[in-house]
Amino acid sequence: DTAVSQTPKYLVTQMGNDKSIKCEQNLGHDTMYWYKQDSKKFLKIMFSYNNKELIINETVPNRFSPKSPDKAHLNLHINSLELGDSAVYFCASSPYGGTEAFFGQGTRLTVV
Amino acid sequence: AQTVTQSQPEMSVQEAETVTLSCTYDTSESDYYLFWYKQPPSRQMILVIRQEAYKQQNATENRFSVNFQKAAKSFSLKISDSQLGDAAMYFCAYEVDNDMRFGAGTRLTVKP
Repeated sequence: DTAVSQTPKYLVTQMGNDKSIKCEQNLGHDTMYWYKQDSKKFLKIMFSYNNKELIINETVPNRFSPKSPDKAHLNLHINSLELGDSAVYFCASSPYGGTEAFFGQGTRLTVV
Repeated sequence: AQTVTQSQPEMSVQEAETVTLSCTYDTSESDYYLFWYKQPPSRQMILVIRQEAYKQQNATENRFSVNFQKAAKSFSLKISDSQLGDAAMYFCAYEVDNDMRFGAGTRLTVKP
């Protein structure tokens, strides 16, 4: 069983569309993250949740909205997609602060 | 917010030799955690090593070891007996209170 799974793995869409990326972890972890990795491989934190509560909301455009229906899921909704949103988005989870983060395989989003 | 700096965008090492990757960070916290992650071309993020800031002893994991200098806010990774499979992007990360930040990464090439 995959510990942290993201769907889809690849997403190609047109500018202006709205899309969602789903993330599920079966590790029983309390903390979940979303990161954006740009073309230069820089990993930027977007959001951090602990027990469904938003902990970190970095300087992300409000077109990006995380939704955590339960502790095992943290989905990312993106409205009005722009060319600059093209990147690889990683979901991750950890049991609690200070522990290893387990990453999903990433979702490569391409906006055309 | 805390920052993590990796000053070496690229490094190269001969197979079986030793290489050291540098990382510095800026923080006002006294209790935090440091990590090195590896990202091979498959883009999967893999934990290499973890260090608790309150521990003076440097962490080691087989061929991987760190030199943690808390006062200098430095956290370098030494890879001994480099193998072809070590070729990857290496990211230094800092975590406190469910907020995990990454450096820009160092691309390591291993020459046969």
